[in-house]
Amino acid sequence: DQQVKQNSPSLSVQEGRISILNCDYTNSMFDYFLWYKKYPAEGPTFLISISSIKDKNEDGRFTVFLNKSAKHLSLHIVPSQPGDSAVYFCAASDRGGGSNYKLTFGKGTLLTVNP
Amino acid sequence: DAGVTQSPTHLIKTRGQQVTLRCSPKSGHDTVSWYQQALGQGPQFIFQYYEEEERQRGNFPDRFSGHQFPNYSSELNVNALLLGDSALYLCASSSPTDDYGYTFGSGTRLTVV
Repeated sequence: DQQVKQNSPSLSVQEGRISILNCDYTNSMFDYFLWYKKYPAEGPTFLISISSIKDKNEDGRFTVFLNKSAKHLSLHIVPSQPGDSAVYFCAASDRGGGSNYKLTFGKGTLLTVNP
Repeated sequence: DAGVTQSPTHLIKTRGQQVTLRCSPKSGHDTVSWYQQALGQGPQFIFQYYEEEERQRGNFPDRFSGHQFPNYSSELNVNALLLGDSALYLCASSSPTDDYGYTFGSGTRLTVV
């Protein structure tokens, strides 16, 4: 039973265009969502997060949108750069306000940004 | 400032053997979590340690055990290795005062033959 789903295993975009990565979840208890980026032979690196009390969070070229009613979130990267090419993981937790939380990850989406 | 350090980076073991993986958390972090990432999958939560005790555990058998030391470093032990235990094992550290989620190490690639 996969509680966090990334239905697109891969995505290819042109440099300078927008990349949109999607994520769906099934557990209504999830209240905190994160995106991680992973290069080969490295651990996942935190990118951006959003609490369930918000519907949008922006950090530079990265914006995460949350639609609670649809249990859907998306990561927008504008403009996309070749260095953004990596596997992107969506993760969720029911953190309850403390650090005592575990992350549930999706399977990841491989983003390739072509020069 | 050193991030999360894991050792060894690669390991090959035989079925039935036991293995110990090690993790040093990021400076200032007191909570250590372990994740297993099988090929083509996302990381899956194994367990979390805080104040030298297992605080949460995922859906993994008792063959997987851990320990946290007073300096917050941690070990993951796997007994009676199976071929299916072959994966990337990721250690992540966190702190109640750090709101940026986990900091992950680069992982230990375990191959069971």
